[in-house]
Amino acid sequence: GESVGLHLPTLSVQEGDNSIINCAYSNSASDYFIWYKQESGKGPQFIIDIRSNMDKRQGQRVTVLLNKTVKHLSLQIAATQPGDSAVYFCAENDGGFKTIFGAGTRLFVKA
Amino acid sequence: GAVVSQHPSRVICKSGTSVKIECRSLDFQATTMFWYRQFPKKSLMLMATSNEGSKATYEQGVEKDKFLINHASLTLSTLTVTSAHPEDSSFYICSARVGGKDEQFFGPGTRLTVL
Repeated sequence: GESVGLHLPTLSVQEGDNSIINCAYSNSASDYFIWYKQESGKGPQFIIDIRSNMDKRQGQRVTVLLNKTVKHLSLQIAATQPGDSAVYFCAENDGGFKTIFGAGTRLFVKA
Repeated sequence: GAVVSQHPSRVICKSGTSVKIECRSLDFQATTMFWYRQFPKKSLMLMATSNEGSKATYEQGVEKDKFLINHASLTLSTLTVTSAHPEDSSFYICSARVGGKDEQFFGPGTRLTVL
């Protein structure tokens, strides 16, 4: 469950634009997926989740897409705001107790 | 609702001492609690899973004698870092889960610095 690489991938977007953050998960048995937002020095904050029997779920300004064929998850943030600047993690759960986090992506929103 | 607290938020200790971190679910009963550690610019790494009243299950590579976990009640789990060394310096985060539900609720984290 550890991240790979020395640095977090970074996505820089202009305020008002849409953001798309991607994640590849590893366990084909995973059936529950979650996106978290983490601001500096704080714990992860739940954004949105999706189960494996769905391929899309929408929340307020956020949409999660799940492609089980290629084990890919994405988070779309509409009309990105400066307050969205944070590190975003996808996480997977195989129906057991454990939630395993992906590597994370740092989102910078330029005003 | 579903608030998880951690105490302390920051702790600095000398090498060789032990440090205890508390994780509390404030408004719900957590049948399962999880402990993660996070190094700078890295992801959260699961250390162990603890169920109330039973021994914790540690992830591969995590020393159970070094990271003592106690889950004495449905609202409290503690992580004790024994004989801490500078390489134990990290951000420790707990989460709590209600039985039968998938969602986990995370604490705000504890920054441990070992001098």
